[in-house]
Amino acid sequence: GQQLNQSPQSMFIQEGEDVSMNCTSSSIFNTWLWYKQDPGEGPVLLIALYKAGELTSNGRLTAQFGITRKDSFLNISASIPSDVGIYFCAGQLAGGYQKVTFGTGTKLQVIP
Amino acid sequence: DTAVSQTPKYLVTQMGNDKSIKCEQNLGHDTMYWYKQDSKKFLKIMFSYNNKELIINETVPNRFSPKSPDKAHLNLHINSLELGDSAVYFCASRRTGSTGGLWGGYTFGSGTRLTVV
Repeated sequence: GQQLNQSPQSMFIQEGEDVSMNCTSSSIFNTWLWYKQDPGEGPVLLIALYKAGELTSNGRLTAQFGITRKDSFLNISASIPSDVGIYFCAGQLAGGYQKVTFGTGTKLQVIP
Repeated sequence: DTAVSQTPKYLVTQMGNDKSIKCEQNLGHDTMYWYKQDSKKFLKIMFSYNNKELIINETVPNRFSPKSPDKAHLNLHINSLELGDSAVYFCASRRTGSTGGLWGGYTFGSGTRLTVV
């Protein structure tokens, strides 16, 4: 089956630093999504990407849909303590009922 | 006015028991899901219902039985609970568009932490 690998698995950064993480797939997706999960809560959608090469921002977050359609990247600029959490990428093939496959997650810790 | 609500939030039970988790969404979405998150935080889809019809049924033991009485509710019943069933179970919903085109991302509930002892 499809697997989505995220790297890094975890990271510690200083407040104010920029963060980059990526997600790679063994197969092509038509939609890429990035979610954030806070402790004790469900994942919350941050950014959705629908087209190869697309670059989309949401505040300090920027995500890109890789040209090969097998990868995606998320950048967070000027990190703040509330950025702490687990970031998941997710991919979906075309078609309304296709399941969404989640990545392995990147755990982000921000040191004030 | 919670969008996707699950009950209970925590569930501790003994091996061999039968338990249910309930999920309700008030977003008007037509598709609902159950996901299992293990101790390594990996999210794996279990089931999906669209307008009360089962559309995704992953390789899940048949001790797990979903039920969707209407498109706003999706419950999960688990028979003969085992230690390995301990996990956080998330309900999610979304509105499916026509094939292709833009669609809405999932809205997740806050999860049910199931502990089997």
